[in-house]
Amino acid sequence: AQSVTQLGSHVSVSEGALVLLRCNYSSSVPPYLFWYVQYPNQGLQLLLKYTSAATLVKGINGFEAEFKKSETSFHLTKPSAHMSDAAEYFCAVSDVNAGNMLTFGGGTRLMVKP
Amino acid sequence: ETGVTQTPRHLVMGMTNKKSLKCEQHLGHNAMYWYKQSAKKPLELMFVYNFKEQTENNSVPSRFSPECPNSSHLFLHLHTLQPEDSALYLCASSQEIFTDTQYFGPGTRLTVL
Repeated sequence: AQSVTQLGSHVSVSEGALVLLRCNYSSSVPPYLFWYVQYPNQGLQLLLKYTSAATLVKGINGFEAEFKKSETSFHLTKPSAHMSDAAEYFCAVSDVNAGNMLTFGGGTRLMVKP
Repeated sequence: ETGVTQTPRHLVMGMTNKKSLKCEQHLGHNAMYWYKQSAKKPLELMFVYNFKEQTENNSVPSRFSPECPNSSHLFLHLHTLQPEDSALYLCASSQEIFTDTQYFGPGTRLTVL
């Protein structure tokens, strides 16, 4: 079965600093990859999606992620953190061996310090 | 209303109660999903419906009973729940099952006493 690992359940950065949230997946077949964000008391919102086109994917709110097949990684970055980026971020992978069912990572809570 | 809506947003129930969660999508999608989000655990897929037909039941206990009367509405009927069922229950929809982006509702925060 597919698995998704998000290193660091909590990440804290200063406002204006680089944001790096890590995601590794287990799959021998290049999957579809997603990053979702969840703000307090809200559902998940899609940030970006990789579907085997360009390896660098740009999303909303200045976020981007790079697909690296050799490292089975799909890390999320943003050059400069803003206070409004404080939220929980989830990486998800579609499992082609299970009808493309989504498998989610455990989530990373991003805290932004002023 | 736009997107995916869920009611109620908060629900407190005793172990002997019967209640229902409602989800409605205004996106014209064909697939709808129920997920459970518990503290310190990854999001768990519970049920999937495609064109009103249930396609997945991810080993969910029978005290959770889904209903999909049409492609726009999805219910989760609850009875004889346990305290460990307390969680955020999220509904999502997508145009095509699994392959398309899933759009999530705000969730129902359920507390079982």
